[in-house]
Amino acid sequence: AQKVTQAQTEISVVEKEDVTLDCVYETRDTTYYLFWYKQPPSGELVFLIRRNSFDEQNEISGRYSWNFQKSTSSFNFTITASQVVDSAVYFCALTRLDWGGGNKLTFGTGTQLKVEL
Amino acid sequence: EAQVTQNPRYLITVTGKKLTVTCSQNMNHEYMSWYRQDPGLGLRQIYYSMNVEVTDKGDVPEGYKVSRKEKRNFPLILESPSPNQTSLYFCASSPEQGGRAFFGQGTRLTVV
Repeated sequence: AQKVTQAQTEISVVEKEDVTLDCVYETRDTTYYLFWYKQPPSGELVFLIRRNSFDEQNEISGRYSWNFQKSTSSFNFTITASQVVDSAVYFCALTRLDWGGGNKLTFGTGTQLKVEL
Repeated sequence: EAQVTQNPRYLITVTGKKLTVTCSQNMNHEYMSWYRQDPGLGLRQIYYSMNVEVTDKGDVPEGYKVSRKEKRNFPLILESPSPNQTSLYFCASSPEQGGRAFFGQGTRLTVV
């Protein structure tokens, strides 16, 4: 069985601070994908990134960066110079690629990020 | 515009009254899924479909049914809703196994 743990339930920061959201996963598969999604107060789910298990390169997109470390089964997300608009719930997720063609996606419980002025 | 459309967005119903939440995507995606979101539990997969007439259970399928008669549609059926099915439901589609999921706007269901 696969599992995603987001131990930080809620984080509060002041605008312009850097913040890291932790994600630890468990899987027995060698081939899998990891994701981050954002859920702002309006409720929709916004895709941020997809990373496959063979690509451990860190990625940067503007103020967002992701650190994937297979050795520690972690896929952490950092927001640099946070802004009020970053306030949202952030979900980490994992999907395996099984031989049957299934598409089972497992989410973590989410981290509520509050960015205050 | 590429999108996943769910209806209704909000629904209040009574215990035992059958209901269907519709989901339609216009991106010709093979894969579609249903999730429920509950406080403290994140999103949990209910059912998923790999193609027309091919569906499989996710992590919390009890009390739900799905069908995939057409590629674009993936309705979620609650034959006899109960209060513990009060939740926020999301439909999603994906172009490939392990691909990015495109989510609908969500359906907030209350069963009294």
